Amino acid sequence: AQSVAQPEDQVNVAEGNPLTVKCTYSVSGNPYLFWYVQYPNRGLQFLLKYITGDNLVKGSYGFEAEFNKSQTSFHLKKPSALVSDSALYFCAVRGTGGFKTIFGAGTRLFVKA
Amino acid sequence: DAGVTQSPTHLIKTRGQQVTLRCSPKSGHDTVSWYQQALGQGPQFIFQYYEEEERQRGNFPDRFSGHQFPNYSSELNVNALLLGDSALYLCASSFTQGNTGELFFGEGSRLTVL
Repeated sequence: AQSVAQPEDQVNVAEGNPLTVKCTYSVSGNPYLFWYVQYPNRGLQFLLKYITGDNLVKGSYGFEAEFNKSQTSFHLKKPSALVSDSALYFCAVRGTGGFKTIFGAGTRLFVKA
Repeated sequence: DAGVTQSPTHLIKTRGQQVTLRCSPKSGHDTVSWYQQALGQGPQFIFQYYEEEERQRGNFPDRFSGHQFPNYSSELNVNALLLGDSALYLCASSFTQGNTGELFFGEGSRLTVL
């Protein structure tokens, strides 16, 4: 069965500091991994994905994520946080043999000026 | 190029009623997935439609049903509404070839059951 864990309900960081939002997953076969962002009362927006290849993937708005197969992790990172990055972030996984994408519970990122 | 559109944006129903939510996928997409997002939680997979058939289903009762039309648009129907069905219902479209693509979400339909 597929599952995604986001161990932190909230991450607080000062503007200009690096940020990390953690994600671990469980899936049969090779994973397709995704990060999405959600602003209040809106749908989810795609940030980045890992399908295969380089373990460090770059996405929208300066975000990147590192795939670690041995730790089954896919942490979201940004070198310098902005106040406008404050939002709800979801990690998601899809197994190569399936069609459904499973989402984590979400991590609220708060960036203080 | 229109993205994913959902209607209605908000609606209020009472227990026992039925509701139909509608979704038009992004241009060029052939697959529609529906999710339920309760307050403070992540989206929960309801089902996915492709080629007018339900291709995969999550852990939701039969009260939840759907349909996909030849133009790839989709409907989600919920019968015998319960208070616990109150949530944001999200439609997501994708292109199925290769199955590596990301989901494109609509803004959602917020259902309140009284």
